[in-house]
Amino acid sequence: GAVVSQHPSWVICKSGTSVKIECRSLDFQATTMFWYRQFPKQSLMLMATSNEGSKATYEQGVEKDKFLINHASLTLSTLTVTSAHPEDSSFYICSAREGVLQETQYFGPGTRLLVL
Amino acid sequence: KQEVTQIPAALSVPEGENLVLNCSFTDSAIYNLQWFRQDPGKGLTSLLLIQSSQREQTSGRLNASLDKSSGRSTLYIAASQPGDSATYLCAVRPSGTYKYIFGTGTRLKVLA
Repeated sequence: GAVVSQHPSWVICKSGTSVKIECRSLDFQATTMFWYRQFPKQSLMLMATSNEGSKATYEQGVEKDKFLINHASLTLSTLTVTSAHPEDSSFYICSAREGVLQETQYFGPGTRLLVL
Repeated sequence: KQEVTQIPAALSVPEGENLVLNCSFTDSAIYNLQWFRQDPGKGLTSLLLIQSSQREQTSGRLNASLDKSSGRSTLYIAASQPGDSATYLCAVRPSGTYKYIFGTGTRLKVLA
């Protein structure tokens, strides 16, 4: 089946730094990618939807200037957490929708971010 | 606004027991519903996907049903095993969108 990878799998950074998380579709072209965030013992919450070559659509309450999303190619989307703070510590998961089989989304393994 | 709720929030059962996890959603206008498994600190594993036109899907010891009109889905796990211990998430895809709305999850522990 189709595979979505994320890099890094975990990252620890100091408060105030920026962190970039990559989401890649390994064997298919992803016209749309989704970024979710999961706080401890909570469910996944959609942050934004990114379409290749266009601006991301952010969910209500998500700061677009803080969470920069770039979907420059059909196989790569990046999420940059700018000026990260401890409250940004979370589990970030991406999913990718295959362009042809539109009904199927594939989820990445997630990236755990800890901001000290 | 679509909201997804899962009951119970946590469940502990002895090995071998059959069990049912419940998922309810507030808006019946969905395209499909999906059940996932999440192990601690890990990503999601898709278990079953039910299209809005379907009533149930089966995979091995798992059976998921969907009653769209009443906004309910159940995940039935037969002959539970310790390896089934995980958090089970229900997610709905609203009609007209590609995103998923996730439920609150059920943390399952199967005791040996």
